[in-house]
Amino acid sequence: DIQMTQSPSSLSASVGDRVTITCRASQDISKSLAWFQQKPGKAPKSLIYVASSLQSGVPSKFSGSGSGTDFTLTISSLQPEDFATYYCLQSKSYPLTFGGGTKVDIK
Amino acid sequence: QVQLQESGPGLVKPSQTLALTCIVSGDSINNGGYYWSWIRHHPGKGLEWIGHIYYSGSTSYNPSLKSRVTISLETSKNHFSLKLSSVTAADTAVYYCARDSGGSGPDQWGQGTQVTVSS
Repeated sequence: DIQMTQSPSSLSASVGDRVTITCRASQDISKSLAWFQQKPGKAPKSLIYVASSLQSGVPSKFSGSGSGTDFTLTISSLQPEDFATYYCLQSKSYPLTFGGGTKVDIK
Repeated sequence: QVQLQESGPGLVKPSQTLALTCIVSGDSINNGGYYWSWIRHHPGKGLEWIGHIYYSGSTSYNPSLKSRVTISLETSKNHFSLKLSSVTAADTAVYYCARDSGGSGPDQWGQGTQVTVSS
């Protein structure tokens, strides 16, 4: 199985901060990476697919980059509605595997 | 806009079979190009991919669950189903169904349903 390692596991940030979350794959996954946002008690929401493409309706403050084994999700200016847990997912090979999550909370 | 809704019992006894259905509206599961997926979220832990089924009926499962999992399509009712046999407390989780375009990850999710395994 491909292991997905997210860092940090949690972070505290202020409204307006630029936030970067990293996901590292245990082997080359090309650009087969997606990012999701999950709020407590809610289903995950798709933000980014194929590493850098924004899902329809997702604000442009979210961006993704990377290929191969190293990927980042950036939130350009954190807003109150962005406090949540973020997960990456590799879809290069079976079984699909998620990162452990990064919880973003208010400083 | 496609919508997905999970349904099924919230409580299952150990050793029994967990059975959930995902009702799809706004899209036909017969349409090519999509995989119909099951994913679960253990309490206090991360997300785990269970498996998916293509419109043709071909399936892929997580090897960690493969011997116990069956995902099937009910095209006449436009829904798909999950069966997980011989459950234990470790199968207690929120179960989500999702639509996956293949290679891009799930783009639409159901709201999730809590399943507790307990006697």
